[in-house]
Amino acid sequence: DTGVSQNPRHKITKRGQNVTFRCDPISEHNRLYWYRQTLGQGPEFLTYFQNEAQLEKSRLLSDRFSAERPKGSFSTLEIQRTEQGDSAMYLCASIQGGFNEQFFGPGTRLTVL
Amino acid sequence: DQQVKQNSPSLSVQEGRISILNCDYTNSMFDYFLWYKKYPAEGPTFLISISSIKDKNEDGRFTVFLNKSAKHLSLHIVPSQPGDSAVYFCAVFGAGTYKYIFGTGTRLKVLA
Repeated sequence: DTGVSQNPRHKITKRGQNVTFRCDPISEHNRLYWYRQTLGQGPEFLTYFQNEAQLEKSRLLSDRFSAERPKGSFSTLEIQRTEQGDSAMYLCASIQGGFNEQFFGPGTRLTVL
Repeated sequence: DQQVKQNSPSLSVQEGRISILNCDYTNSMFDYFLWYKKYPAEGPTFLISISSIKDKNEDGRFTVFLNKSAKHLSLHIVPSQPGDSAVYFCAVFGAGTYKYIFGTGTRLKVLA
């Protein structure tokens, strides 16, 4: 399968714990996005990487959130000290340079108890 | 502030008829527009797109229309099929950022 993959698919955690999600983009795609989606809403932009450089972050991304793409391939999104309001679907998408159409992964559903 | 609006949360259409999904945006600097389809438990799937230099783009049963003066985007599906039943999101890109901004989605149900 050569699509975008995300792990884990589901994560249940207790409030205050840290969680980390991983995204593996399509191999030739140098651009990578993270989004958050809650019920009844569209995907909400969190951050953008071009290769390993994080070029844009949403103002909604508090200091509890951090993302990395250390070698310009896979990316991780970490949420520290999770809160119940962090419960959402976290989506990753990748794009090939020069194009505008994003390819999404299946998402990681986070539930914070 | 909602920069992209899909004012119809749901739409039901008879199989074989036309489905029209609408999207409005506020910033005239957006220069690329996309439609995505989403099935339950899956990520969104790219459907069709259009750049601001065009007013229409067609791909099989799907046509996207762009009215820049009205800041309005629409997706036409003809003929509609039961497999088209999904949530459809419009998205915009440009205006000097790397961000894609999505609408809230329209749930389309095609009745057999």
